[in-house]
Amino acid sequence: GAVVSQHPSRVICKSGTSVKIECRSLDFQATTMFWYRQFPKQSLMLMATSNEGSKATYEQGVEKDKFLINHASLTLSTLTVTSAHPEDSSFYICSARDHWGYEQYFGPGTRLTVT
Amino acid sequence: QQQVKQSPQSLIVQKGGISIINCAYENTAFDYFPWYQQFPGKGPALLIAIRPDVSEKKEGRFTISFNKSAKQFSLHIMDSQPGDSATYFCAEPPGGNNRLAFGKGNQVVVIP
Repeated sequence: GAVVSQHPSRVICKSGTSVKIECRSLDFQATTMFWYRQFPKQSLMLMATSNEGSKATYEQGVEKDKFLINHASLTLSTLTVTSAHPEDSSFYICSARDHWGYEQYFGPGTRLTVT
Repeated sequence: QQQVKQSPQSLIVQKGGISIINCAYENTAFDYFPWYQQFPGKGPALLIAIRPDVSEKKEGRFTISFNKSAKQFSLHIMDSQPGDSATYFCAEPPGGNNRLAFGKGNQVVVIP
């Protein structure tokens, strides 16, 4: 149980374009999902908290107009990187929180490369 | 964001040995102390977690121990195997809510 999927697993896009990443909880309902970014050999940095049916809460320093988050259902959250630039190249990971506890279940990650 | 401090940054252990990694925290109000395991190119996975009402929890070869007075919790990997080679993260919520702030990670390498 508690499986989270992400799509796509890898994406390469040209500078200036937008990319959408999907995060799905497959066997449970997630009222809260989280989006993280991880650079090579570094820790996971929380970008935003996504709440079903409401606006996402962004961490300090994260541009909400650049990283658009939509949590339209209890099993799907999307992250759209708008006007991507090479510095946005990173490993993006989502997680979904179990409604009853603190446990977060992570997706497999999406490797974004902006050329 | 990082309020947990992990040590050592990296660790090399012989197969069959014991790996010990530590996490020092600040938020004394927190009641959930997790360790996550991450392999290269993969998302992290919850390995083991403990509540502060117990001092130790064991799951297979993995043991988490909690020292409330020292504000520290540790992960012990018994009989370490090459397949345990990964980066291990501890976490705590900043400000006491359900978000998690991760430490910088402990890279564990188990050599045959």
